Amino acid sequence: QITLKESGPTVVKPTQTLTLTCSFSGFSLDASGVSVAWFRQPPGQTLEWLALVYWDDDKPYSPSLKSRLTVTKDSSKNQVVLKMTNMEPVDTGTYYCAYGMSGNWFDPWGQGTLVIVSS
Amino acid sequence: DIQMTQSPSSLSASVGDRVTITCRASQSVSNYLHWYQQKPGKAPKLLISYVSTLQTGVPSRFSGSEPGTPGTDFALTISSLQPEDFATYYCQQSYSIPRTFGQGTKVEIK
Repeated sequence: QITLKESGPTVVKPTQTLTLTCSFSGFSLDASGVSVAWFRQPPGQTLEWLALVYWDDDKPYSPSLKSRLTVTKDSSKNQVVLKMTNMEPVDTGTYYCAYGMSGNWFDPWGQGTLVIVSS
Repeated sequence: DIQMTQSPSSLSASVGDRVTITCRASQSVSNYLHWYQQKPGKAPKLLISYVSTLQTGVPSRFSGSEPGTPGTDFALTISSLQPEDFATYYCQQSYSIPRTFGQGTKVEIK
């Protein structure tokens, strides 16, 4: 059974860097074809894809956020870490990580973690 | 970026109704089109991958198709709406980076 869970701060101040950890079980991020993706969803809005990390360490990022994002994987710890710099109030929302096969479809997802950007 | 446009944005339907949600891509995404269901306060759940492949455990009343222009026009149909189907549905393309979603279709109780 594949499970994922996001963890990190609930509140961050403007200009700060957000660090979120996705802890997973039930699969190896070293296995061919496997990927983990990050998404976010502002309150009442649609889903936005942020980044992917593949088993071979390829890391596509959202072009609109690429300068602010860094994703790293630690296969030995079964974790993927997302860092987003220079947080602004518009970055408020629920952040999800999800398992993806070849970075195409994504399931299952973690439960999500709410991040509020406020001074 | 490939824009995904869903219609309608919301609909009201009764239990037992047949419901169809459409998704149009701004350019061809081939068959790299997937459907998700999201209930309030919950994470999305994959229903259908690659236009029409039903995921394990998803009821057969859900189906996906490509009713119009191949590669750009897609549909999700619920053949007989059940109480547990009231949720928001999203399409997502994986043809190119960035992965993009439709704006969602909220299915409400009539």
